[in-house]
Amino acid sequence: DAKTTQPPSMDCAEGRAANLPCNHSTISGNEYVYWYRQIHSQGPQYIIHGLKNNETNEMASLIITEDRKSSTLILPHATLRDTAVYYCIAKTGNTPLVFGKGTRLSVIA
Amino acid sequence: GAVVSQHPSWVICKSGTSVKIECRSLDFQATTMFWYRQFPKQSLMLMATSNEGSKATYEQGVEKDKFLINHASLTLSTLTVTSAHPEDSSFYICSARDQGRGPGKTQYFGPGTRLLVL
Repeated sequence: DAKTTQPPSMDCAEGRAANLPCNHSTISGNEYVYWYRQIHSQGPQYIIHGLKNNETNEMASLIITEDRKSSTLILPHATLRDTAVYYCIAKTGNTPLVFGKGTRLSVIA
Repeated sequence: GAVVSQHPSWVICKSGTSVKIECRSLDFQATTMFWYRQFPKQSLMLMATSNEGSKATYEQGVEKDKFLINHASLTLSTLTVTSAHPEDSSFYICSARDQGRGPGKTQYFGPGTRLLVL
């Protein structure tokens, strides 16, 4: 699976959009980009995934660059409950998720 | 949908005893389930992958005789920590892969089980 690189931490003001970047420059054509988050002392929560098209669901939007070497997770209106560690993972459909260090997002009132 | 439960949510046991943790997929069938472990201030570490009806595949460095995994049905996997020691104290999280929701097969996670071995 391709290695991903994320900033270790980010801050975001409550009510503003949170844009979390992820670099996956060695991603292969059959690898999806998955985003999960882990709120303190809980199991990871699935957010969204995509292959090459931008995706949106009730939680977030995923923007993947045309060359697929990077992506951005967008939380359109961050709330205090969005404070968590966010993980970006590139993998094929049948391999297990392997977690890196992620980005610790702090939403500030 | 896509709910995974774990039981118990926390357990305290004496050193030398065995502890069993159950993981259930409540609203989907999971041919494949995964077990992870997380130490404080660290990321999740994959321990093993289990497929229904067959033996689990363990990651390097994980003792298969210490961490017994059984995946007897499409909705239930169990992890038994045998002869637990204080260094086994950790947050254990299971995950189930939904086979029926399109080409990008998504893993869903349970809430985790916190184990403290005294």
